[in-house]
Amino acid sequence: NAGVTQTPKFQVLKTGQSMTLQCAQDMNHEYMSWYRQDPGMGLRLIHYSVGAGITDQGEVPNGYNVSRSTTEDFPLRLLSAAPSQTSVYFCASSNPRLAGVTDTQYFGPGTRLTVL
Amino acid sequence: GQNIDQPTEMTATEGAIVQINCTYQTSGFNGLFWYQQHAGEAPTFLSYNVLDGLEEKGRFSSFLSRSKGYSYLLLKELQMKDSASYLCAVNPGLGGYSTLTFGKGTMLLVSP
Repeated sequence: NAGVTQTPKFQVLKTGQSMTLQCAQDMNHEYMSWYRQDPGMGLRLIHYSVGAGITDQGEVPNGYNVSRSTTEDFPLRLLSAAPSQTSVYFCASSNPRLAGVTDTQYFGPGTRLTVL
Repeated sequence: GQNIDQPTEMTATEGAIVQINCTYQTSGFNGLFWYQQHAGEAPTFLSYNVLDGLEEKGRFSSFLSRSKGYSYLLLKELQMKDSASYLCAVNPGLGGYSTLTFGKGTMLLVSP
């Protein structure tokens, strides 16, 4: 199993450009999430999904869109990049054993995004 | 709202024991996680507590007191490779979804 994979590893954008960060997992996990990590801020939840076709907002969703058409993939779209979106982005997946019981989240290697 | 506090930095010596504390105030509680994150890498799972008490896993142990909103991660026989950031995270259990609220992390530096 590859686990959680993310592409690209590094990306530089200009203000106003759009792009999609890719995330895929091969563990058949139901839950997938996107976090951003900034110095001194910790990991913050952007969007998450509890299954194909179901997504919801996290703590910092503005400027980002997501969709979940398959169990495996959970892309994150930046609509119009801003310098405030310079960050490291992590995708994570998990599979709850029972409804309402948390399971371990597995993180991808991250995408380091710079917006100029 | 959710609030998770942990020290910003700690230093320790190789072979020693270090305890990293975490206090939390969340709207609900469905488990507390500790993750390790080396510089430039992804967080990796260390431990999970949902009931009060101590969970031991080799050189790493984690303790939880739900009534006090308190947890600690205990690292024994420190090695240089333990130099990393340690993240405390709580699942507030909102809607039963597997979302986590993270603290800002504690950077541990192990010196020879």
